[in-house]
Amino acid sequence: DAGVIQSPRHEVTEMGQEVTLRCKPISGHDYLFWYRQTMMRGLELLIYFNNNVPIDDSGMPEDRFSAKMPNASFSTLKIQPSEPRDSAVYFCASSGQGTDTQYFGPGTRLTVL
Amino acid sequence: QKEVEQDPGPLSVPEGAIVSLNCTYSNSAFQYFMWYRQYSRKGPELLMYTYSSGNKEDGRFTAQVDKSSKYISLFIRDSQPSDSATYLCAMNKNSGYALNFGKGTSLLVTP
Repeated sequence: DAGVIQSPRHEVTEMGQEVTLRCKPISGHDYLFWYRQTMMRGLELLIYFNNNVPIDDSGMPEDRFSAKMPNASFSTLKIQPSEPRDSAVYFCASSGQGTDTQYFGPGTRLTVL
Repeated sequence: QKEVEQDPGPLSVPEGAIVSLNCTYSNSAFQYFMWYRQYSRKGPELLMYTYSSGNKEDGRFTAQVDKSSKYISLFIRDSQPSDSATYLCAMNKNSGYALNFGKGTSLLVTP
């Protein structure tokens, strides 16, 4: 298995632009998580899905952030419009039903200028 | 105040030393406890998993949970330079709930 796949690995954009981050979870996993990691705040949960349905989006910072999971093998996290304070590493993770082991992707390093 | 507190370090030790990493938490409902290791510019990977109080050993690593004190520890024996990474504790109330992570402790093991 290739593990959790994220794209792009690096993204540099200008303030006000739309940013779309993509994630392919491990096949067969029922849960998908989006995290943001910064030095100041550590690893923060943004939203998670179970069987493609959003369960908890209380960590989404504001309406500029949105996430979708149209099918079991694909999810997107969109920021529109982006701001410099959104600069961080965004991780996607997935886990199977009945297990707490989350498998993380390599992350997307986002820089908003 | 975050539910999970962890000293960010950095912690620097010589090769071969015993390392002790710790987390405290405030939510008494937590009963699943994990340690993740994160190398620079990589995603976290699960290192140890324990349920409720007690110890668990895996090779050079020992995880310890004291629910009465709301305190968990990770011990690394005979530390190696390859152990240099950030160690994050994580916990949750029940299987299927989101994990609550500490900020992570940066560890450097020098040859």
